[in-house]
Amino acid sequence: AQKITQTQPGMFVQEKEAVTLDCTYDTSDPSYGLFWYKQPSSGEMIFLIYQGSYDQQNATEGRYSLNFQKARKSANLVISASQLGDSAMYFCAMREGPPGSSASKIIFGSGTRLSIRP
Amino acid sequence: EPEVTQTPSHQVTQMGQEVILRCVPISNHLYFYWYRQILGQKVEFLVSFYNNEISEKSEIFDDQFSVERPDGSNFTLKIRSTKLEDSAMYFCASKLGDQPQHFGDGTRLSIL
Repeated sequence: AQKITQTQPGMFVQEKEAVTLDCTYDTSDPSYGLFWYKQPSSGEMIFLIYQGSYDQQNATEGRYSLNFQKARKSANLVISASQLGDSAMYFCAMREGPPGSSASKIIFGSGTRLSIRP
Repeated sequence: EPEVTQTPSHQVTQMGQEVILRCVPISNHLYFYWYRQILGQKVEFLVSFYNNEISEKSEIFDDQFSVERPDGSNFTLKIRSTKLEDSAMYFCASKLGDQPQHFGDGTRLSIL
């Protein structure tokens, strides 16, 4: 079974509109973390936002917010006021286990390619 | 802001040759990782490293792969005898404790 599911392989959005990228996850571990990374065409992996499983509030970082719905096991990324530079591949990812554990590998979803139209 | 640095950015190697990919993690970080991304596919975990030993490795990380932290600053991934299917982007990542992992810009490995 997939641990991280991103159901939108590609999305087109008009500049300045808000966009929601979907992510659902599957784990039986009570302690986990959820991440979003951005990968531009140049290939680097840029960390955007993090949500811990015990965090009471949804994470926000500038124009990025994470809509964390624990009961539904979803962690959607919301980008407000999209910009042309937001065009990239976006990966949802999960760490199982507590954050300080020596292993704590990250499992990635298959990604969503976001294209912003001017 | 401190960065994870990977060299080279692109490595072209003949099949069967050994290759070493180099990473300089963020200086006070304690946990180190290698991931790979075959073109057009998702990022896959290879290995995690802590306290000078491997913490966890995936099934991809077979006997052809090894990691080393030779001098307290570099973190290397060695592929002993490369195969065509080793062609991929290889990412190094590091973290301090409970902070998110920070990734390097990757090394694109092309096996001919």
